[in-house]
Amino acid sequence: QKEVEQDPGPLSVPEGAIVSLNCTYSNSAFQYFMWYRQYSRKGPELLMYTYSSGNKEDGRFTAQVDKSSKYISLFIRDSQPSDSATYLCAFVQGAQKLVFGQGTRLTINP
Amino acid sequence: NAGVTQTPKFRILKIGQSMTLQCTQDMNHNYMYWYRQDPGMGLKLIYYSVGAGITDKGEVPNGYNVSRSTTEDFPLRLELAAPSQTSVYFCASTTGFSYNEQFFGPGTRLTVL
Repeated sequence: QKEVEQDPGPLSVPEGAIVSLNCTYSNSAFQYFMWYRQYSRKGPELLMYTYSSGNKEDGRFTAQVDKSSKYISLFIRDSQPSDSATYLCAFVQGAQKLVFGQGTRLTINP
Repeated sequence: NAGVTQTPKFRILKIGQSMTLQCTQDMNHNYMYWYRQDPGMGLKLIYYSVGAGITDKGEVPNGYNVSRSTTEDFPLRLELAAPSQTSVYFCASTTGFSYNEQFFGPGTRLTVL
């Protein structure tokens, strides 16, 4: 079983739609749960992070963690063409390392 | 602050050649990392360093070497390049505290023919 599973997509939705991106994980030792956004031909950048089960909102973005199911989600409301990117889930392992999902390529069509 | 810078941006190597990918950060971060990203895939950790003089292997270290003589620089050396090393290489750095937000460079696209 892979440590992190993320559907690579691609996912294509119309502008204004609600987008749901998901990851499952198997390692109970993961402490922080993160979402990175990567635009084409750029390095990833941190979008959101959380450390507990529940929801965390930041503008149009909501990160959700369910530790009992080992499942995390990122919701994007009122999606915009500028949200078109690859979204990678990431998990903090110990004090030093991140474990990344495969990434989901998202396209928002005007 | 320039953040994390990487050179070169692009490179084509022949099989068996060697090269060094350069990475520099100006944020005084102790922790630095090298990842590779193959098409449609996530990031795989090659090597990391928790401070000058200290390095450790990640998930895919074979065929690579690193050194860390200063806080700012973390070069990645490819010896005897192989087609399997064709990838995009990202350098990242962080303070190492709490949630470990890593700051990434723009990447180096390497092709081995």
